Amino acid sequence: GENVEQHPSTLSVQEGDSAVIKCTYSDSASNYFPWYKQELGKGPQLIIDIRSNVGEKKDQRIAVTLNKTAKHFSLHITETQPEDSAVYFCAAKGFQKLVFGTGTRLLVSP
Amino acid sequence: DVKVTQSSRYLVKRTGEKVFLECVQDMDHENMFWYRQDPGLGLRLIYFSYDVKMKEKGDIPEGYSVSREKKERFSLILESASTNQTSMYLCASSDSFGTQETQYFGPGTRLLVL
Repeated sequence: GENVEQHPSTLSVQEGDSAVIKCTYSDSASNYFPWYKQELGKGPQLIIDIRSNVGEKKDQRIAVTLNKTAKHFSLHITETQPEDSAVYFCAAKGFQKLVFGTGTRLLVSP
Repeated sequence: DVKVTQSSRYLVKRTGEKVFLECVQDMDHENMFWYRQDPGLGLRLIYFSYDVKMKEKGDIPEGYSVSREKKERFSLILESASTNQTSMYLCASSDSFGTQETQYFGPGTRLLVL
């Protein structure tokens, strides 16, 4: 089955810097790659997703890139703000279900 | 807005007790999921359901069962709680068509088994 690895497990940046979180997946048949943000005390919430027929997608300060050949995808956050501090999860859709990475705790310091 | 609610935010139970975690969604979604979240392990799928009275095992179903008698409600049951089931439990739902893959999560239930 699908296996998703996520790095780094923690990431500390200064406000205004960029942050990059990387994930790799194992199943070349996976075709959908969402990113979720989990704030303290809340459930994960979808922030951006990408399908396998697209290489890059942007939404304001966040972007996701996908390299199907290398089987990896990344989340890029530019001009980070303290409210970006949260745990971020990548996921890949294997057969019938999403498989999640282990999460990245992002801390943005003012 | 999609709303997924879970019956309790915090629960404390004794080893051996039968535990029920309830989840309700208000968007008429076909699919519902139960995950557990542990530090360093991410979200792991316990069970999911694509229709009323239908259930499928996820990656870690041992020690758990589920019930889906109504479309909007999906229950997770710990038949005999054990300390290694202390965890955060997250329920999610998704549609069957269009944005099928987008899962909407509830706020979670933090379960402590003593």
